[in-house]
Amino acid sequence: GAVVSQHPSWVICKSGTSVKIECRSLDFQATTMFWYRQFPKQSLMLMATSNEGSKATYEQGVEKDKFLINHASLTLSTLTVTSAHPEDSSFYICSARPGNQPQHFGDGTRLSIL
Amino acid sequence: QKEVEQDPGPLSVPEGAIVSLNCTYSNSAFQYFMWYRQYSRKGPELLMYTYSSGNKEDGRFTAQVDKSSKYISLFIRDSQPSDSATYLCAASPMGTASKLTFGTGTRLQVTL
Repeated sequence: GAVVSQHPSWVICKSGTSVKIECRSLDFQATTMFWYRQFPKQSLMLMATSNEGSKATYEQGVEKDKFLINHASLTLSTLTVTSAHPEDSSFYICSARPGNQPQHFGDGTRLSIL
Repeated sequence: QKEVEQDPGPLSVPEGAIVSLNCTYSNSAFQYFMWYRQYSRKGPELLMYTYSSGNKEDGRFTAQVDKSSKYISLFIRDSQPSDSATYLCAASPMGTASKLTFGTGTRLQVTL
């Protein structure tokens, strides 16, 4: 149990394109989901906390207009990277908490901007 | 100073060895401690979590927390090549619902 699914797993697109990444909790409901970014050989950096039915909470230094988060249901949160540029290329990972358990993570989305 | 420090490795051990992975932390408010395993190009997978000080065992894995020295450990017995991955420690202050602070991860290689 406690499966978090992320889609797509890999996306390549041109500079200036907007890219949407989906995060789903498959067998539990999640009022809160988390979005992370991970650069090669580095740890996870929290970008924002996604709250169902309300605005996301962004970490310091993360542009909320650049990284749009929508958490419209208890099983789905989306991250949209708007007008993506090569410096936005990274590994984006979401997580969710089943009940009072620690965060369970999706398999990540590798984003490459040409 | 980072709140959670972890030696990035790489750590290379022969199959069957006992592996010791460690982290130190500086925030006294941390109460919950987790270990995640991350294979290349995959998301982290929760291995174990513990509350406050003490030991917790699950199969070949043992997690240990010493709050007096702000030191957390993960031991892997009878290591297997399939254990080769990056191991991330994480901590949070107020329960599993709080934001996690991660270490940088230790890359482990178990050789035949």
